[in-house]
Amino acid sequence: DTGVSQDPRHKITKRGQNVTFRCDPISEHNRLYWYRQTLGQGPEFLTYFQNEAQLEKSRLLSDRFSAERPKGSFSTLEIQRTEQGDSAMYLCASSHGTSSAGGTQYFGPGTRLTVL
Amino acid sequence: AQSVTQLDSQVPVFEEAPVELRCNYSSSVSVYLFWYVQYPNQGLQLLLKYLSGSTLVKGINGFEAEFNKSQTSFHLRKPSVHISDTAEYFCAVSDAGLTFGEGTQLTVNP
Repeated sequence: DTGVSQDPRHKITKRGQNVTFRCDPISEHNRLYWYRQTLGQGPEFLTYFQNEAQLEKSRLLSDRFSAERPKGSFSTLEIQRTEQGDSAMYLCASSHGTSSAGGTQYFGPGTRLTVL
Repeated sequence: AQSVTQLDSQVPVFEEAPVELRCNYSSSVSVYLFWYVQYPNQGLQLLLKYLSGSTLVKGINGFEAEFNKSQTSFHLRKPSVHISDTAEYFCAVSDAGLTFGEGTQLTVNP
C-alpha cells in the first residue's frame, strides 16, 4: 500500500490556461474525494466519487471545474480558464465505505497550483 | 448543514506542558468526528477518529479526544507535548465529504 499519490506536486500557470491534476487512490478504495485548501484555511470539500459515479459536488465547484473517475480508479480534476483566485492546494483523499460516513479518508500530498 | 468551529487559531505552549485544542461541531444527524494533523509542506495525517462506542478516543503520538454529545464538542488533548508536535491541527465532521474547521496552529517552544 503506497498511499494516495497526486501528480504534479506543483503547477505554475498563467491566467486563462487550463490545468489538469491526477490522483491515484489507495488500491481498492471505492471512494475518492477532492478538496481545495487556501493558505491559513482548512480544506474545503469539492466533490466525491463512489467508484466511477460522481455523487456530490460542492457549490464551490464552478462550471470551470470538472472531475472524472472513468474506470473507478484514478481521478482527474481539470480547471479551465484559470483565475488567480484558483491558486490553492488541491488535495485528494480516498476511503473504503458504502455508508453515508464513507469510511476514514486518507489524504495525498496535494498539488499546489499557482496562477500568475 | 454540518459545521465545525475550532475555538483557537493559535496555541503556543512550552515543551512537556499539557495541551488542549478545542473543537465544537453542529450537526443534525449522527456524527463521525476526526482530528487530522498537517506538518509544514506535508499532507493531512489522521490522528484519531470517533465513529461510535467509547467517547474517549486514543490516537497516534499520544493524543486523545473526548466526544461530548451534550456540549457538541470533540476536544483534542495531550498530557505532555514535544517540539515535534508543532503543526496545524484540523477538526472535521463527516458528511458526504469532510467539513473541516479552520485549524489550530500548535507551536511548542523549548
